[in-house]
Amino acid sequence: IAGITQAPTSQILAAGRRMTLRCTQDMRHNAMYWYRQDLGLGLRLIHYSNTAGTTGKGEVPDGYSVSRANTDDFPLTLASAVPSQTSVYFCASSETGGRRGYTFGSGTRLTVV
Amino acid sequence: QKEVEQNSGPLSVPEGAIASLNCTYSDRVSQSFFWYRQYSGKSPELIMSIYSNGDKEDGRFTAQLNKASQYVSLLIRDSQPSDSATYLCAVASTDSWGKLQFGAGTQVVVTP
Repeated sequence: IAGITQAPTSQILAAGRRMTLRCTQDMRHNAMYWYRQDLGLGLRLIHYSNTAGTTGKGEVPDGYSVSRANTDDFPLTLASAVPSQTSVYFCASSETGGRRGYTFGSGTRLTVV
Repeated sequence: QKEVEQNSGPLSVPEGAIASLNCTYSDRVSQSFFWYRQYSGKSPELIMSIYSNGDKEDGRFTAQLNKASQYVSLLIRDSQPSDSATYLCAVASTDSWGKLQFGAGTQVVVTP
């Protein structure tokens, strides 16, 4: 089934630890995105990639990094987790230009303690 | 000022009635508009897209766009308990490579 796979589904992480959230899509979409969703704040863009080999910063990039080595994979890394990074993280993808909207992964619920 | 504004709700709607959700946006060059439905604990699901002024209907859903007034709305006719969810408005502009700005969402509760 075509779509986006995120892993892990949920994670409890000690503050200061490094963590990589995985995202893989099989729709051959050029663009991919990472959002975090917090109660009352909605979805906020962390990082994006318009095509393999390029990345850009979104609204809330601090403390996060991404890479886009190929079309399918777009991992998000927290170098040294802090409690304020407790959130639900969604990966999404779209065709170039996003004219048909995004397809979202099922999300990763991350708790930093 | 947030770029995409929605009333957070909850919007309580009797079963069978029409739910009306509104969204305003600040970027005048915005060209593409979307409505997502998100059930509690789940990921957003695209239910409607609209690109031109006027109405677009898909089943029980109607999206309405007015670019001059910078608002987009969603009507849900014959509301069902399964429509209880949070509805997210999303707006893309032509100069942002398709990146979407999301509103915080409106919670809809359909009561039997």
